[in-house]
Amino acid sequence: QQQVKQSPQSLIVQKGGISIINCAYENTAFDYFPWYQQFPGKGPALLIAIRPDVSEKKEGRFTISFNKSAKQFSLHIMDSQPGDSATYFCAASESFQKLVFGTGTRLLVSP
Amino acid sequence: DAGVIQSPRHEVTEMGQEVTLRCKPISGHDYLFWYRQTMMRGLELLIYFNNNVPIDDSGMPEDRFSAKMPNASFSTLKIQPSEPRDSAVYFCASTQRGAPGEKLFFGSGTQLSVL
Repeated sequence: QQQVKQSPQSLIVQKGGISIINCAYENTAFDYFPWYQQFPGKGPALLIAIRPDVSEKKEGRFTISFNKSAKQFSLHIMDSQPGDSATYFCAASESFQKLVFGTGTRLLVSP
Repeated sequence: DAGVIQSPRHEVTEMGQEVTLRCKPISGHDYLFWYRQTMMRGLELLIYFNNNVPIDDSGMPEDRFSAKMPNASFSTLKIQPSEPRDSAVYFCASTQRGAPGEKLFFGSGTQLSVL
């Protein structure tokens, strides 16, 4: 059973455009929502994270939007660059300890 | 710190053979996680340890899989006997409870191919 559903599976964006990746969850006990970025041949690395007490968090070109009532959250990458081409995973956890990942989105930013 | 170290990076074996994957977490981290990554299922949590004690192994596929953490600096994931459907990338990750952002640090993974 997929606890965190992620879409789209793949995404192609032109350089300078906005990349948007969406995730939805069912477990209302989740209290931590990170996004991880993974480059080929590497392990995932934490990109940005949010807790449900805020609706948005921004770090540089990366923004998480969180909708608690809809049980959805999304990652926006502004001014997308070719170096952003990677696989992005949303995740969620309850009381931190057990992090559940989405199935990933492969982002390609064309020059 | 060198980060989380996994070995081997690549493993090719034949069906029925025993496979052992190794992980050295970041010094001082008290949580260690084993994940499996496939195209179809993404990243799946197999098992995690806290202070060397297994806390949740509900993600371990079946009895062919076992994991140990004999001390704070070493963990193994063993598959015996291996099957072609076990082919995947296996990641080890560690963290310290209360670390800023509760950040998981992943190793570079072991690419396992079972023929």
